[in-house]
Formats: sequence, structure tokens, C-alpha cells
Amino acid sequence: DTGVSQNPRHKITKRGQNVTFRCDPISEHNRLYWYRQTLGQGPEFLTYFQNEAQLEKSRLLSDRFSAERPKGSFSTLEIQRTEQGDSAMYLCASSLTVYEQYFGPGTRLTVT
Amino acid sequence: GENVEQHPSTLSVQEGDSAVIKCTYSDSASNYFPWYKQELGKGPQLIIDIRSNVGEKKDQRIAVTLNKTAKHFSLHITETQPEDSAVYFCAASRSQAAQKLVFGQGTRLTINP
Repeated sequence: DTGVSQNPRHKITKRGQNVTFRCDPISEHNRLYWYRQTLGQGPEFLTYFQNEAQLEKSRLLSDRFSAERPKGSFSTLEIQRTEQGDSAMYLCASSLTVYEQYFGPGTRLTVT
Repeated sequence: GENVEQHPSTLSVQEGDSAVIKCTYSDSASNYFPWYKQELGKGPQLIIDIRSNVGEKKDQRIAVTLNKTAKHFSLHITETQPEDSAVYFCAASRSQAAQKLVFGQGTRLTINP
């Protein structure tokens, strides 16, 4: 399968713990996006990378969230001091152009 | 910022009938409008998209229309099949900017056999 992959697929953590998610984009896609989706809603944009440069961050991305894309390949999204409100599906997408974005299966985070 | 409204929130049609989902957007600078299908437990799957320089695009049983003046676009699915049952999302973006997608709230489509 040469699509976008995300790990882990599910993560259960206790409030206050740190978590890190990984996204591997489609090979040669230089654009990478993170979105968050809560139950019954559409995905909401979090941040965007072109190669290794983080070009835009949403106001949804509080100081507890940080994303990286070293060497312009895979990306990681870290949430520090998790809160129950962070429970959601975290989606990664990649694209080769300014148009079609292809999504991965997501990481479902549950904060207890 | 951009706001995308999607209707209806749920839609139930008989197998073989057509389904239409409508979206409106607020940012007149938006120029790219994709549609995604999301099945339970999976990520959104791009099914069709349209750019602002065309008014209609068709791919087999799926078509999308765009009215830039009215700032609305629609998804049409003909000859619906049970496997079309899913949640459908419309989205809008400015391709010349950061290309972030702004999504509608989703439509849960159920095809009744």
C-alpha cells in the first residue's frame, strides 16, 4: 500500500500525559497537513508543511501542540499535558500539488 | 475566514435513485472544491473535485457542479448503490494560499436496498 500511513491507529492515554503521533506521506509528496476531527464533524485544519518548513498553524494549535517534519519526509505531532478535550481523530494528509490532498486512516486519541 | 455550510445533514434514498448534497462557501477567493467520502473508522477518501475555472465535472456516476456567483457547489450521485452509503464532506480552499481545506459538517448518506 503506497498511501498515507499513520501510527498508532489508536491511543488511549491519561490526562496530563504526553503523546506523539507519526505520519508517513505518499512518497514524493512535499506537502503535508494535519487535521483534527471530532465525532460528527468535518476535519479541522491544524498545520501545514511544505518540505520541512511549517508554513501555517491554526489557532486551534495551542502551545501544547507541536509538529515537526524533519528532512521533509515523515511528520510527528506531539501533544503535551493532554486534556480530555484533546480526544479526537487526528488525520494526516499529503499532496504533490496545491490541489488533491490524500488522507491517511487517522489516529484516534482517547484521553481518560 | 472561510465558512462552508453543507446540507442536508442526513439523506436516505432508495437504491437506484439519485442523491444530491449541497454546499455554500463564504470566501469568494476560494477556487478549489473537493468532495470526500468517509466510511466508518477510515480517513476521508477524495472522490471528485472541481476548480473554479469550470462549472461542472463528471466521473462515471458522480458529478459536481459549481456556481461561483452564488458561491455554492453540489455533489450528484446517480444510480445509487448500497456501497455509496457513507458520510460525505465538501470542502473549499484557496489554492494560491496555504491550501488548507475548510470542510462542511458532513452528510450521512444511507442507500436503502
